[in-house]
Order: sequence, then structure tokens, then C-alpha cells
Amino acid sequence: GQQVMQIPQYQHVQEGEDFTTYCNSSTTLSNIQWYKQRPGGHPVFLIQLVKSGEVKKQKRLTFQFGEAKKNSSLHITATQTTDVGTYFCAGLGTDSWGKLQFGAGTQVVVTP
Amino acid sequence: ETGVTQTPRHLVMGMTNKKSLKCEQHLGHNAMYWYKQSAKKPLELMFVYSLEERVENNSVPSRFSPECPNSSHLFLHLHTLQPEDSALYLCASSQVRLAASYEQYFGPGTRLTVT
Repeated sequence: GQQVMQIPQYQHVQEGEDFTTYCNSSTTLSNIQWYKQRPGGHPVFLIQLVKSGEVKKQKRLTFQFGEAKKNSSLHITATQTTDVGTYFCAGLGTDSWGKLQFGAGTQVVVTP
Repeated sequence: ETGVTQTPRHLVMGMTNKKSLKCEQHLGHNAMYWYKQSAKKPLELMFVYSLEERVENNSVPSRFSPECPNSSHLFLHLHTLQPEDSALYLCASSQVRLAASYEQYFGPGTRLTVT
């Protein structure tokens, strides 16, 4: 079955630095979504990528969808303390009906 | 902030108890989901209901019993749970169509502790 892997599992970042988290699927995806969960909170939708090679930006966050639609990345520039949380990618398989496969998430800790 | 509400927010129950979790969405979506989130584990999809029909049951033990009486409400009935069932149970809703999925909106979750 479809599996979605995320690396790294943990990311300690100095405030002001950049970092990237990666998401890889064992199968081709119809689309990929990214969510953020703050400590003690619930996952909140950030963005959806649908097209091969698509790149989207949200302020300091840059999301990419691979050409083969099997991988994705989230790059954050000039990390701030507000970026603390766990970032999940979630992939929809080409034969799935509304069922997203979530990665294990990257837990981000920001040091001032 | 969210159009998905869950009650109760916290629940402590013994292994012989029966309880129910409730979820309500006010977004007009046609699909609802139950997820289990345990420490250091990925989000585990438990059940999916689309148009009030269960379309997914991810090999969940029978001590968890979902119910979807209409497109806005979703329940998770619990009985004779085990301590390893302690987790955050998240409800979500979305609008879906074949081979496409819009974003999922999550409720705040129910923190369940089984003693």
C-alpha cells in the first residue's frame, strides 16, 4: 500500500536559520497537502500541491512538488519562534477517494 | 477558528466503561474522518464516512464503533478499551470527489486516557 515517509523526524533550528523537511511517497500521488500542528493543538491545513513540479510560496515558506509527483519539500527561511510545531505532509493516491496518507511529521524546535 | 467541534475535550475512562466521542462540522462538507494520534506515531486514519456511508475502515478493533447519522455529525462509540488506546482522537471533515481531495479541517481533538 501507499506509504509516505518524512525526514527528518526532528529539526532543531537556530532562530534566523533556514531548514527543509522532505516528504517521499512509495507511489505516485494525485496531490500532496501540508499541515502544521502547534504543540497542544490540532493539524491546520497550510497548502495543497497538485501539478508536477509545482512550487508555491507563503511568505517565508516554500513548498515544492516533485516532477514525478512522488516527493515534496517544505523550506522555511529565516526561522522564527512562531514556526515551532510539527509539519505533516499528506498524500492522496491516484486511486484513493478522499483518503490522505499522512507522514509521521517533522517536529521543529526553534532556539532563540 | 475551526468549523469542526469535538466533545468532550478530555475523557478518562476505565477499561469496562462505555463512552462516546462526538464530532460536528459546520462547513457543509461531504466527508468526515476519525484519526488516532499517539505519541511518536503518525496520524492513523481509523474511519472515513462519505455521504454518510462508511468508505474506509482501517482494520480498527471492534471496540471502536463509528456512527454517522447525517453529514454534519460523527460519533465514535468506545467500549472495553485497553490502556494502549489512550491517545488524541481527532475528527476531520473535507469536501471530496473522485480522485481529488480538498483540505481537511480538524477539530480540537479528544484527549482520551484509559485507566
